[in-house]
Amino acid sequence: EAQVTQNPRYLITVTGKKLTVTCSQNMNHEYMSWYRQDPGLGLRQIYYSMNVEVTDKGDVPEGYKVSRKEKRNFPLILESPSPNQTSLYFCASSYPGNEQFFGPGTRLTVL
Amino acid sequence: SQQGEEDPQALSIQEGENATMNCSYKTSINNLQWYRQNSGRGLVHLILIRSNEREKHSGRLRVTLDTSKKSSSLLITASRAADTASYFCATDENNDMRFGAGTRLTVKP
Repeated sequence: EAQVTQNPRYLITVTGKKLTVTCSQNMNHEYMSWYRQDPGLGLRQIYYSMNVEVTDKGDVPEGYKVSRKEKRNFPLILESPSPNQTSLYFCASSYPGNEQFFGPGTRLTVL
Repeated sequence: SQQGEEDPQALSIQEGENATMNCSYKTSINNLQWYRQNSGRGLVHLILIRSNEREKHSGRLRVTLDTSKKSSSLLITASRAADTASYFCATDENNDMRFGAGTRLTVKP
């Protein structure tokens, strides 16, 4: 089944404790992207990647890192999480310029 | 900053009625996409319309795009209770995706 998976789905952590949210897709898509969703603000793009070893900042990249060492994986790294990064995070993938397939979301709470 | 802005923010209709949602954006785009989201779950793609297209249909969905006005509309005909969800437009500007804040549609049975 074609899908985008994210792990974990729920995470509660404390300020400053490094964490990684994984994202994997099995559709051989070149393009992958991370978004955060906050009430009243819709989705905001954090980082995106056009292909392996190619990443670009989105609208709200501060406090986040990404890597794209393999085509199928695009992990999101929070080196030192803060409470303002409490949010719902989505990973998505697509062929460039085409419809995006979204993962189920990761609900992160930073205390 | 957000690119697409949906209007209205919320819409409540009776089953069987049509629902129209509008999206305005600010810059040149490659394409515009509409997505649906059920309460905090992942987004599901509905329709993609490219900048050289004016109208597209998919089942009960009709999307229009007016690049001169930088606006798009999504029409859902003969709505059903199961159409209750949030609907988002997203603009693709050279793979820089920008989403609006969404329209919350409630369809009453």
